Order: sequence, then structure tokens, then C-alpha cells
Amino acid sequence: SQQGEEDPQALSIQEGENATMNCSYKTSINNLQWYRQNSGRGLVHLILIRSNEREKHSGRLRVTLDTSKKSSSLLITASRAADTASYFCATDEHNQGGKLIFGQGTELSVKP
Amino acid sequence: DTGVSQDPRHKITKRGQNVTFRCDPISEHNRLYWYRQTLGQGPEFLTYFQNEAQLEKSRLLSDRFSAERPKGSFSTLEIQRTEQGDSAMYLCASSPEYWNQPQHFGDGTRLSIL
Repeated sequence: SQQGEEDPQALSIQEGENATMNCSYKTSINNLQWYRQNSGRGLVHLILIRSNEREKHSGRLRVTLDTSKKSSSLLITASRAADTASYFCATDEHNQGGKLIFGQGTELSVKP
Repeated sequence: DTGVSQDPRHKITKRGQNVTFRCDPISEHNRLYWYRQTLGQGPEFLTYFQNEAQLEKSRLLSDRFSAERPKGSFSTLEIQRTEQGDSAMYLCASSPEYWNQPQHFGDGTRLSIL
């Protein structure tokens, strides 16, 4: 079963614009992770944010985590056509051996 | 290439046949996970191993599904008596044992049931 929901399900923007994706979850977590998936390929890890962290940056990516609201957001700044992909959040729940529970994903399309 | 490797990339088979998929994790990773992904959905956890021990298999979809990791290195996922609903992408991931580590995914095996 899915842990939570991602919003929006699909997002279409122009190159150079920023893209924001949101994720909500239901239980206590050790960390929350964001992955990217290009069509027909496996998942590529982007960022891991621990439950005691509130914000994390990696290049053009910024992730926030609000454990009181059980939500996270992924911001991609200055988007490029190569950012076109599906983006998934995944939670690592307490005492679950590190298995990940994924959301349904946001399909991002960046138009040149 | 030292990433996670899955074989085959694609498998087409007739309903009722048995299929087996292989996953080779990153060599120093103790943990190995199997997920299933259907079109338009996020991956769904199936089972995981720490070394050769299968620590959770309750999420395997039915008793037709089984997984092994006999020497704590590569793993196999077998589906017996395949059904139409088994058509999906089967993903393998590995990670170190310690806390708060990302998982590294292979490119998956896409299974199509005729």
C-alpha cells in the first residue's frame, strides 16, 4: 500500500522555471527520500532528509520536511528539459528495516 | 560499473509459466530489497534481505512469489504459475546496513504476461 500522496500528479513548466512537488505521509519516519525515474528506467536517488532535519539542499534541489504536518516538498530551481521525469517521495518508517514506502509520484514535463 | 544489476531487462512469457529474475547488488551492501511497480504507480515493497536472511516476506503478493539470497550476494525472485496481473516492473535495490542510507536501484525487469 502507498504511504501517502504526492501533489500535483502532473506538472508542466517551461525551461528556466521552478518546479515544486509536495508529498504527505501518515506515520512516524526515520527519514524521507526523493527519487527520480526516467521512463522505463530504475529510480535514481536525489536527496535523503532525516526526521530531525528541516531543510536540505543539493545543487538545484531544495527539500523541506515538516514532521508536525507529515509533509515534504521538493523544489527544482531553474529547470531544464533534462529534468523531465517522474519524481517520487519515499518514507523509511520506524522499525521497518529500511524498506521504503513510496507515493504515487509527480510526472514533471519541462518544455524547451 | 558497480551499480545494481538486474537480469533480464525484459521477460515475455505465457500465462501459467514460471519466471525467475536475478539481482546483483552493490558488493559491499548488506541489504537487498525487491519492489514491484505497475504503470503510473510508485514502487510497492515486496521483501528484503539482510545478508542471506529474509527479514520480511509478508508483502509478497501470494504464495506464488518467492525470493532467495543464498550466499548473501545476488538474489533471485521467482513467480510460479504466472497470471496476467503479474505484469509489472520488478525492481531491486540495495543499501548498507546502517541508519539513514539511501537505496540504490537497478533498472528493473519488465515482465509481460501474454
